[in-house]
Amino acid sequence: EPEVTQTPSHQVTQMGQEVILRCVPISNHLYFYWYRQILGQKVEFLVSFYNNEISEKSEIFDDQFSVERPDGSNFTLKIRSTKLEDSAMYFCASRPGSGGQPQHFGDGTRLSIL
Amino acid sequence: AQSVTQLDSQVPVFEEAPVELRCNYSSSVSVYLFWYVQYPNQGLQLLLKYLSGSTLVKGINGFEAEFNKSQTSFHLRKPSVHISDTAEYFCAVSATSGTYKYIFGTGTRLKVLA
Repeated sequence: EPEVTQTPSHQVTQMGQEVILRCVPISNHLYFYWYRQILGQKVEFLVSFYNNEISEKSEIFDDQFSVERPDGSNFTLKIRSTKLEDSAMYFCASRPGSGGQPQHFGDGTRLSIL
Repeated sequence: AQSVTQLDSQVPVFEEAPVELRCNYSSSVSVYLFWYVQYPNQGLQLLLKYLSGSTLVKGINGFEAEFNKSQTSFHLRKPSVHISDTAEYFCAVSATSGTYKYIFGTGTRLKVLA
């Protein structure tokens, strides 16, 4: 069964540095998402992406964050000037189309900011 | 806007006993409902979904859930649990239109005891 793939599985970065989290969604999917889960807290929506543009973003997704789908397969989340509070598990998800089709999640990238 | 409440943060249960994990939601629009399971150091795996029709839905690994519109609930049940069911369980909702982003509950940690 096709899977959503995320790399790296764990990223350790100094505060203030930029990080790029990478995702390869399932190939025929059209909707893409990033979520984050701070340790011990619930999974929170960050951003959705459809038709090569952001379709919705949460209050968390400020100017520090950006997303790209540079080559039709990868889907990246960039975090600039990282802060300690950006430490979390970041999940990428994709879904095939409209309606009630569920999202498929990757295994996540654990981001640790030092 | 939607919100999801999972009333129990932790549920200990003995092996082969039944279990119910509770989920209540609120929404001003129609929603789809989902249950996901997260095993340690893994992503979110879909257990089951409710889109429309029969209010009792069956999922993988012997789980089922019942949608109750009047009580705005979507409780997850399993008649006999196994040690391998020990995991975190998340209830999620999405609107039936728009970006289909998920709003998650805070999760319930199911611990199955021998």
